[in-house]
Amino acid sequence: KQEVTQIPAALSVPEGENLVLNCSFTDSAIYNLQWFRQDPGKGLTSLLLIQSSQREQTSGRLNASLDKSSGRSTLYIAASQPGDSATYLCAISGGSYIPTFGRGTSLIVHP
Amino acid sequence: DTEVTQTPKHLVMGMTNKKSLKCEQHMGHRAMYWYKQKAKKPPELMFVYSYEKLSINESVPSRFSPECPNSSLLNLHLHALQPEDSALYLCASSQIKSLYGYTFGSGTRLTVV
Repeated sequence: KQEVTQIPAALSVPEGENLVLNCSFTDSAIYNLQWFRQDPGKGLTSLLLIQSSQREQTSGRLNASLDKSSGRSTLYIAASQPGDSATYLCAISGGSYIPTFGRGTSLIVHP
Repeated sequence: DTEVTQTPKHLVMGMTNKKSLKCEQHMGHRAMYWYKQKAKKPPELMFVYSYEKLSINESVPSRFSPECPNSSLLNLHLHALQPEDSALYLCASSQIKSLYGYTFGSGTRLTVV
């Protein structure tokens, strides 16, 4: 059974810092990995999707990498802003095509 | 249209009420999902529909009854809920093999009193 761990569980940083959020998984036979952002009480907004054959994806200040051999993905946020404050979830889709979620990283960026 | 629309956004219901949550997508996705999410926890899968047929039921109590009337609509019928069922209910959709990932709605915040 796939297990997904996100580290750190919480992070509080000053505005402008570059951040790395980590997602590790136990079964490397994945189909894709998706990073989501969730604001309090809201739905999940997709940030980046990495297919199994890909190594990274970029969107604006966000960059996500995937290393299946080590069972790790990182989400890099450049020049963080207060508007980046949210919970970040990684979800991994395997053979069943049903995503397994990590518990998320709660990020606060203060001015 | 690249959205999943959920209605209502908020719902307060008594334990003897019957209500329904609705979810709609027009992306041509043939897999649709219901998730339940408690505060500070990840989403928890409840049901999966593939090609309008129920394919996964994660041992959800019968007071939750899903329905997929067509490829664009997904309903969750609620009856005789308990206060512990209060949560954020999320709908999602995807291609059958989730090739392009999952798209989530904004959720329905349900409070059972």
